[in-house]
Amino acid sequence: EIVLTQSPATLSLSPGERATLSCRASQSVSGYLAWYQQKPGQAPRLLIYDASDSAAGIPSRFRGSGSGTEFTLTISSLEPEDFAVYYCQQREEWPPTFGGGTRVDIK
Amino acid sequence: EVQLLESGGGLVQPGGSLRLSCAASGFTFSSYAMGWVRQAPGKGLEWVSTLDGTGGSRHYADSVKGRFTISRDTSMKTLSLDMNNLRRDDTAIYYCVKTPFFGGSFWHFDFWGRGTLVAVSS
Repeated sequence: EIVLTQSPATLSLSPGERATLSCRASQSVSGYLAWYQQKPGQAPRLLIYDASDSAAGIPSRFRGSGSGTEFTLTISSLEPEDFAVYYCQQREEWPPTFGGGTRVDIK
Repeated sequence: EVQLLESGGGLVQPGGSLRLSCAASGFTFSSYAMGWVRQAPGKGLEWVSTLDGTGGSRHYADSVKGRFTISRDTSMKTLSLDMNNLRRDDTAIYYCVKTPFFGGSFWHFDFWGRGTLVAVSS
């Protein structure tokens, strides 16, 4: 199965700063990569699918990019509600797999 | 508004059984593949199972194959997961998920329920 490695494990930033999260796949997933946000005690929420398409209702400060084995989620200017854990997930190959997550916390 | 509401979680002994249900609303239930994703306490996400819009094509993670059965009742707009021979490592929050696809074998998950906790312990 395809292994997704997210880095860094934790990102400590201040509101207003730019966040750059990485997801690396063990083999090419083409563009079939999604990003989810999970806040404490809540279910994950789809942010980005197929590498760069925004899900409905997602603010424009969230942007996904990449292809093949290297992907990036960028949050252009962190809002207080953006401090959460972010997961990537591939659907190029069965079974669908998730990365281990990146926690974005307040510095 | 899409809503997914899970029920049926609880404490069960190793080797026991449990049935999870997910009541769906706000979309045409029969048009989309639905499934389950779980999250062990303090851990990441693990896909468990997906069922296509007709209910005829089932997919399972290797970790649950032969023990879990996914099904859907289109008239009741309900997705179910029958879990047998439960093990301690099945302990997790189980999320009901909707895909934006009718079928296939490759999905992402566009809506999630709030989850139901399954605890396997003696």
